[in-house]
Amino acid sequence: SAVISQKPSRDICQRGTSLTIQCQVDSQVTMMFWYRQQPGQSLTLIATANQGSEATYESGFVIDKFPISRPNLTFSTLTVSNMSPEDSSIYLCSVEEQGGPDTQYFGPGTRLTVL
Amino acid sequence: GEDVEQSLFLSVREGDSSVINCTYTDSSSTYLYWYKQEPGAGLQLLTYIFSNMDMKQDQRLTVLLNKKDKHLSLRIADTQTGDSAIYFCAEKSKDSSYKLIFGSGTRLLVRP
Repeated sequence: SAVISQKPSRDICQRGTSLTIQCQVDSQVTMMFWYRQQPGQSLTLIATANQGSEATYESGFVIDKFPISRPNLTFSTLTVSNMSPEDSSIYLCSVEEQGGPDTQYFGPGTRLTVL
Repeated sequence: GEDVEQSLFLSVREGDSSVINCTYTDSSSTYLYWYKQEPGAGLQLLTYIFSNMDMKQDQRLTVLLNKKDKHLSLRIADTQTGDSAIYFCAEKSKDSSYKLIFGSGTRLLVRP
């Protein structure tokens, strides 16, 4: 299975600032996803990031707030813009491996606290 | 619509079997998954089952799928304290976004 790393692993940020989270995969993958896990909650998909096309955002998430880059098949970034305390969550990237059972593997997550 | 439900909490004694249940509503789901999340960690894929299967066994894990009732279960045999975690079931969306729809998670506590 793909090995996924995220940077930073955690951060504490001030209201109104922005944070860019990086996701690196050790193999080329077509499909990458960004999820949010609010405290004590389940995971909610923010957007799908495919190389060579614009990210596709889920209802309730917009590009101005969560801009995403996908410059190649092994890397993606998610920016959380103009942060507020409500953005305090764990942000996880995942990748889907194809050519077999459709399985998604997750990175370790970035724990964000906004003061 | 798509909704996945799980009971919130399960407590078992070490050595007993644990059964975590999940119900889903999308009958066209192709794959169903079980993930484990330990405190402070990301999600670990435990196992999955294809929708045309009734059962899948992988070492201590047994997945049962009842498509008629849209019911999925994960049985952990000989539960150990290291199995204490939150367990999420997830179904793959039938639309083209390939997204996973997650349940609310079941917190499993294994008592020594």
